[in-house]
Amino acid sequence: KQEVTQIPAALSVPEGENLVLNCSFTDSAIYNLQWFRQDPGKGLTSLLLIQSSQREQTSGRLNASLDKSSGRSTLYIAASQPGDSATYLCAVRSTNAGGTSYGKLTFGQGTILTVHP
Amino acid sequence: EPEVTQTPSHQVTQMGQEVILRCVPISNHLYFYWYRQILGQKVEFLVSFYNNEISEKSEIFDDQFSVERPDGSNFTLKIRSTKLEDSAMYFCASRRLAGAYNEQFFGPGTRLTVL
Repeated sequence: KQEVTQIPAALSVPEGENLVLNCSFTDSAIYNLQWFRQDPGKGLTSLLLIQSSQREQTSGRLNASLDKSSGRSTLYIAASQPGDSATYLCAVRSTNAGGTSYGKLTFGQGTILTVHP
Repeated sequence: EPEVTQTPSHQVTQMGQEVILRCVPISNHLYFYWYRQILGQKVEFLVSFYNNEISEKSEIFDDQFSVERPDGSNFTLKIRSTKLEDSAMYFCASRRLAGAYNEQFFGPGTRLTVL
């Protein structure tokens, strides 16, 4: 059974800092990994998707890496801003025994990020 | 930009009552999902739906739950007899195609409160 863990649980940084959020998963048989942002009481906004064959994916100030064999992904946020304050969720789409996937995502508990001015 | 929509945003119901949560996925998407998030806990998968049938469901998705795509646009989650522990935020998601490069897009959620 896939388990996803995120560390740290919470992070508070001053504006302008570069930061790294960590995600680990127990079963390396994954299809892809998605990073989401969740604002309080709101839905999930997709930030980046990394396919299992990729090592890295970039969007603006965000860079996500994937090391499938060690079961790890990191989300790097450059030059953080107060508007980046949110909960960041990592979600893994695993393959089933036949090597396919119906799309079920398994989520970590999230990292609560606060960027103060 | 197309987005997943959900109604209502907040539903309050009495224990034992039936509720129907509604979702309109992105129009050219083919795969549909329901997830839930109990306050302070992880987002949990409930069910996936493709080609008018359930393709996968979790242990949470028991006989009290059902899903339906009654027309070409709506996707609904029905809870037949709500329990206190069904109180949660329910998210609908959709995905366009098969393949590892396709993201799931989530709606804003329906907050269900069971009294």
